[in-house]
Amino acid sequence: KAGVTQTPRYLIKTRGQQVTLSCSPISGHRSVSWYQQTPGQGLQFLFEYFSETQRNKGNFPGRFSGRQFSNSRSEMNVSTLELGDSALYLCASSGGVATNEKLFFGSGTQLSVL
Amino acid sequence: AQKVTQAQTEISVVEKEDVTLDCVYETRDTTYYLFWYKQPPSGELVFLIRRNSFDEQNEISGRYSWNFQKSTSSFNFTITASQVVDSAVYFCALSEAGYGGSQGNLIFGKGTKLSVKP
Repeated sequence: KAGVTQTPRYLIKTRGQQVTLSCSPISGHRSVSWYQQTPGQGLQFLFEYFSETQRNKGNFPGRFSGRQFSNSRSEMNVSTLELGDSALYLCASSGGVATNEKLFFGSGTQLSVL
Repeated sequence: AQKVTQAQTEISVVEKEDVTLDCVYETRDTTYYLFWYKQPPSGELVFLIRRNSFDEQNEISGRYSWNFQKSTSSFNFTITASQVVDSAVYFCALSEAGYGGSQGNLIFGKGTKLSVKP
C-alpha cells in the first residue's frame, strides 16, 4: 500500500510569491492534516480536511489556506510568502472516522523563502 | 493551555545502552490522548504509540516501552538495548479529545534527538 506522497520535495521561492503544495493520502484515508515544522517553533498544526471540508484549524494567518478534492488529495497554499514561512511542511492522513487516530505522515516539502 | 515538554534536546548513547526519553504534558482536559512519533532523517514522522487518558497501563513492544503516569503528567519512553537504527528525533504529542472523528490539534513537544553510536 503506497504511503502518503507529498510533492514537490523541495521548493525555493522569493518573498511575496505564492506557493502550492500537494499531498496524496493513503488510499482509503479521508482525513488530511497539515503541519509546519521549523527549528524555532517545532511542529505546529495548520489545518485538517475531511470529505472536502475543513474540520479543524490551527493558529495561522489567513495567508495559509488549503483544500481537499473528492479523491481526498489535498493542497495547501501560502500567499504573499514571508521569510518566516521557510519550513518543512508535513502532510498526514488517517481514516478520519474514529477520533484521534494515529496519523501517517509524508516526507514533507522543504520550502525555502529567499 | 495545553503544552508538551521534552526537556532533553539531545541524547547520545553507545549501542546496547538503555535510554529513556522524558515527556511531561499539561492539559485541563480530563480526556486526552498521548502519542510518540519517530522522525528519521528522511523526514516523515512514524507513529509509535497512542495512549488515552483513561489507560494508564504501561506498554511494551519489543525493545520499546512506555510509562504513563497521570500523577506526574508524564509519558516516558524507554528503548532497551539501543541500536544504531534507533537514531532519530523522537516527538511526544498531546491531543485533546476530538469529536465526530476529528483528529483534533496535535500539540508536539520540541523533540529529543537521539544518537546511538556503534
